[in-house]
Amino acid sequence: EDQVTQSPEALRLQEGESSSLNCSYTVSGLRGLFWYRQDPGKGPEFLFTLYSAGEEKEKERLKATLTKKESFLHITAPKPEDSATYLCAVRSFLSGGYNKLIFGAGTRLAVHP
Amino acid sequence: ETGVTQSPTHLIKTRGQQVTLRCSSQSGHNTVSWYQQALGQGPQFIFQYYREEENGRGNFPPRFSGLQFPNYSSELNVNALELDDSALYLCASSPGTGNTDTQYFGPGTRLTVL
Repeated sequence: EDQVTQSPEALRLQEGESSSLNCSYTVSGLRGLFWYRQDPGKGPEFLFTLYSAGEEKEKERLKATLTKKESFLHITAPKPEDSATYLCAVRSFLSGGYNKLIFGAGTRLAVHP
Repeated sequence: ETGVTQSPTHLIKTRGQQVTLRCSSQSGHNTVSWYQQALGQGPQFIFQYYREEENGRGNFPPRFSGLQFPNYSSELNVNALELDDSALYLCASSPGTGNTDTQYFGPGTRLTVL
């Protein structure tokens, strides 16, 4: 069964203190691993898609990497505005060739000045 | 380019009632997926609509149903509401259902069942 596990559940950082969030996954044939950012009471905002082991993508202070079993979201010198819940998801296939996203529970990041 | 929009923003219902949530997909997107997100959890897939047909369904009972219209907007209907249906309901649209199609989410509808 396709599954996504994120750790830690919550992370508190001081402004400028770099760290990494982990996403472990089990899926039958990876066809995309996604990172989203979600602010309280809002919908998830797309950040990155990774397709193959060794792939990396960057956006401002965020960098996502992918191995065959997990993905990391590295946050370099975070600022308070980076505080949010970060969600990881994998694309899982439905019958008929269509697909859905399976999400982890997320990591709640709080960055304090 | 207009993003995904949802209405209403918030809704309060009582147990046993019925509710309809609405979603307008992003311009050029023909696929809409609905997710339920309980507090502190990740979104859970309800179902997906592609060109007005339901083409996939998650582990939700038949009292969760939907529609997609010719303009690709969509509705989620929930009958016989239960307390556990209280959640953030998210709609996501994508250009298609292929391997490279990214799902973009709307702001969600917060449903509270009393």
